[in-house]
Amino acid sequence: GAGVSQTPSNKVTEKGKYVELRCDPISGHTALYWYRQSLGQGPEFLIYFQGTGAADDSGLPNDRFFAVRPEGSVSTLKIQRTERGDSAVYLCASSRSSGSNHEQFFGPGTRLTVL
Amino acid sequence: QKEVEQNSGPLSVPEGAIASLNCTYSDRGSQSFFWYRQYSGKSPELIMFIYSNGDKEDGRFTAQLNKASQYVSLLIRDSQPSDSATYLCAVNSRSGNTPLVFGKGTRLSVIA
Repeated sequence: GAGVSQTPSNKVTEKGKYVELRCDPISGHTALYWYRQSLGQGPEFLIYFQGTGAADDSGLPNDRFFAVRPEGSVSTLKIQRTERGDSAVYLCASSRSSGSNHEQFFGPGTRLTVL
Repeated sequence: QKEVEQNSGPLSVPEGAIASLNCTYSDRGSQSFFWYRQYSGKSPELIMFIYSNGDKEDGRFTAQLNKASQYVSLLIRDSQPSDSATYLCAVNSRSGNTPLVFGKGTRLSVIA
């Protein structure tokens, strides 16, 4: 079956601009996670959704970052007034909501470069 | 602050040898443990998960968990050059769907 998909694969923007990153989870997965990975580091948690609601947004670095999942499937991560420090690979993952296994499966990521 | 620690490497092993990757975690209440493989420029790929103390084997991979020592490891038998990648240890601090805390990863190089 289809895995997690993310668009765009690469995004180059200028400092101060607004960007949107999209994630389409595995069909049937109700939990969706956003992580950010910088070079030489492991993924760092940003926010996660159970259905349509944000169950935990404690990883968002500041109020320039916001994410939505209005219909409980596709999610969009929104970054306002981008800064050079926002440059990273933004990873989305999804997992099942029920049962004992909650393995998270990652999409290919969006590489964001802020000039 | 929940932490997951890994030796960054690189860990170099000859082809056919056993590669041993180690990980420690700080949150004693952690419930689930995962190993992801990440090739350069690619996203993490889940290769093993373990929930109970002891060993879990899947093909050439064995995950080992010791909750008392807060230690989890991954053994790769008969290492191949294609196993060369960064291996990320990830820990889920509660049961069910919760965010993972990742280590920085260990870079493995299998020399032909």
